[in-house]
Amino acid sequence: ETGVTQSPTHLIKTRGQQVTLRCSSQSGHNTVSWYQQALGQGPQFIFQYYREEENGRGNFPPRFSGLQFPNYSSELNVNALELDDSALYLCASSLGRGPVDTQYFGPGTRLTVL
Amino acid sequence: TQLLEQSPQFLSIQEGENLTVYCNSSSVFSSLQWYRQEPGEGPVLLVTVVTGGEVKKLKRLTFQFGDARKDSSLHITAAQPGDTGLYLCAGASHNAGNMLTFGGGTRLMVKP
Repeated sequence: ETGVTQSPTHLIKTRGQQVTLRCSSQSGHNTVSWYQQALGQGPQFIFQYYREEENGRGNFPPRFSGLQFPNYSSELNVNALELDDSALYLCASSLGRGPVDTQYFGPGTRLTVL
Repeated sequence: TQLLEQSPQFLSIQEGENLTVYCNSSSVFSSLQWYRQEPGEGPVLLVTVVTGGEVKKLKRLTFQFGDARKDSSLHITAAQPGDTGLYLCAGASHNAGNMLTFGGGTRLMVKP
């Protein structure tokens, strides 16, 4: 069974650019959540997708957007990058969206904005 | 806005010592997870607790969920250098499915 994978592992962008991060969910999982983890802090919830629809959103501006595809893989897009967007972006998949559906995390994408 | 506060933020101890990490909130959670994260990697699930008062043991690690489901603790007995890492608690709200609110983390270093 393949776990959650993310690409790329590292990325360097400049302020104002746009970036797309990718996530392949664990086999059989239909729910994908994205989190932002700034250095030295715990992850913060960005949004969640369930069966290709956005299922919930944290306190992030609209320039953070996402997609989920029919195979349940997902993308996180960030427009007009700011220096504070530098962080580890984590994707997590789960069997469902219920309160006891465990989330399994990928290794993350380290984004640096210069 | 739900908040989870973890304490302590940093802990440096000698091999063989015991330690407890706390996770507190004013909000009720339907479940609470503990994760461990190594540098450059994603969090790895250690345990999920769902019932108030629940206690789970994983080898030298003991996890407890508060009776009111607002707080949790992680106790490590006889810590080893391999326990070094970032420990994160995360709660799922009863009205937000499994979307997680994370604590700020406890960075543990166990010296040989």
